Amino acid sequence: GDSVTQMEGPVTLSEEAFLTINCTYTATGYPSLFWYVQYPGEGLQLLLKATKADDKGSNKGFEATYRKETTSFHLEKGSVQVSDSAVYFCALSPGVIQGAQKLVFGQGTRLTINP
Amino acid sequence: NAGVTQTPKFQVLKTGQSMTLQCAQDMNHEYMSWYRQDPGMGLRLIHYSVGAGITDQGEVPNGYNVSRSTTEDFPLRLLSAAPSQTSVYFCASSQGAGYTFGSGTRLTVV
Repeated sequence: GDSVTQMEGPVTLSEEAFLTINCTYTATGYPSLFWYVQYPGEGLQLLLKATKADDKGSNKGFEATYRKETTSFHLEKGSVQVSDSAVYFCALSPGVIQGAQKLVFGQGTRLTINP
Repeated sequence: NAGVTQTPKFQVLKTGQSMTLQCAQDMNHEYMSWYRQDPGMGLRLIHYSVGAGITDQGEVPNGYNVSRSTTEDFPLRLLSAAPSQTSVYFCASSQGAGYTFGSGTRLTVV
């Protein structure tokens, strides 16, 4: 079945460091790919998405490119801030099947940025 | 816009008790779903609904019931709570590619 694997956390970086959180997936067909962010005590918010191969999603300085050849969707940011501390989830959606657009999540990566 | 509203935010239950987690959305989304979040396991789908009167099981449905009598509401029922159901529960709604999540219910079963 469809699955998502994220790099193990937690990840701790200093402010202004470069961030990469790895995400790979297994899916049949052509899924859409997402990154969600969960700030402490809150629900999940969509950070960025890509719906087809070679698409680049971007938001708030974060970027991720849909790589079909390596089945990856790694999250990157050039210079992190303390406010980026959160849990990040990679997810895929295999598409709308009988009206349902299910999301399959990775296990999440906790990111802590120190000043 | 309120988006997706979940109540309560926190709940402690004794083993064997029953309760209902409420979820309401005001975006007229057809698709709604319930997830549970456990450490190191991401979010796992419990039940979902593609419209009023239609529900189906997700990855981890045992011990939970749902119903969808209106487009707006999608309650999750625990019939006889067990310690293994201690978790954070999220409701979500979707129309097309966008998902909107509620802020979650933290449930502890003792």
